[in-house]
Amino acid sequence: QSVLTQPPSASGTPGQRVTISCSGSKFNIGSNAVNWYQQLPGTAPKVLIYSNNQRPSGVPDRFSGSKSGASASLAISGLQSEDEADYYCAAWDDSLNGELFGPGTKVTVL
Amino acid sequence: QVQLQESGPGLVKPSQTLSLTCTVSGGSIISGGYYWTWIRQHPGKGLEWVGHISYGGNTYYNPSLKSRVTISIDTSKNEFSLQLSSVTAADTAVYYCAREEDSGYDYWGQGTLVIVSS
Repeated sequence: QSVLTQPPSASGTPGQRVTISCSGSKFNIGSNAVNWYQQLPGTAPKVLIYSNNQRPSGVPDRFSGSKSGASASLAISGLQSEDEADYYCAAWDDSLNGELFGPGTKVTVL
Repeated sequence: QVQLQESGPGLVKPSQTLSLTCTVSGGSIISGGYYWTWIRQHPGKGLEWVGHISYGGNTYYNPSLKSRVTISIDTSKNEFSLQLSSVTAADTAVYYCAREEDSGYDYWGQGTLVIVSS
């Protein structure tokens, strides 16, 4: 029942660029910052991108984020095997007064 | 280094109340403008925001759970808690506690699996 939309899967070969989209509305992405989380199997999620396009210290610059209107995207350039994980976008929703997570995108490195 | 650790029963009977505590170490729960958050993940599914509380006690809850959720904070113990009443099998999930600041959820607990079953 998430109102943020993400593709269920994405894939690429090592070294390729993969992009994950996150679509919302004026109430969430359109008016609030988007954060992206990476969840490796069996572990807690980790913040990858915050405030649309900012990387926390320690996150490789292969990861980048952008936002336009009510949509956002996460790009992984120079894909590596350790990037196999689930990726979630998140944003506050002003109409629900709560945080929304996208349904997640599973990235596979071929 | 801030650390969060969830604790509580791993098995809860249907219709009872799920109670979890998140103990914060390596930093004070009242420092900064943080929100202390509960997030859950159904088996094999995505993340679901349950709700959060500020150190001053202001709370926001997921509208779909609002009638059953209570999040509280105990600054003397540096911990915050989740209570979810009238649980059903649909509440079976891994429950994470996390710290929220401007840079997102920057610290997470390891998660605790709660199974609702008789």
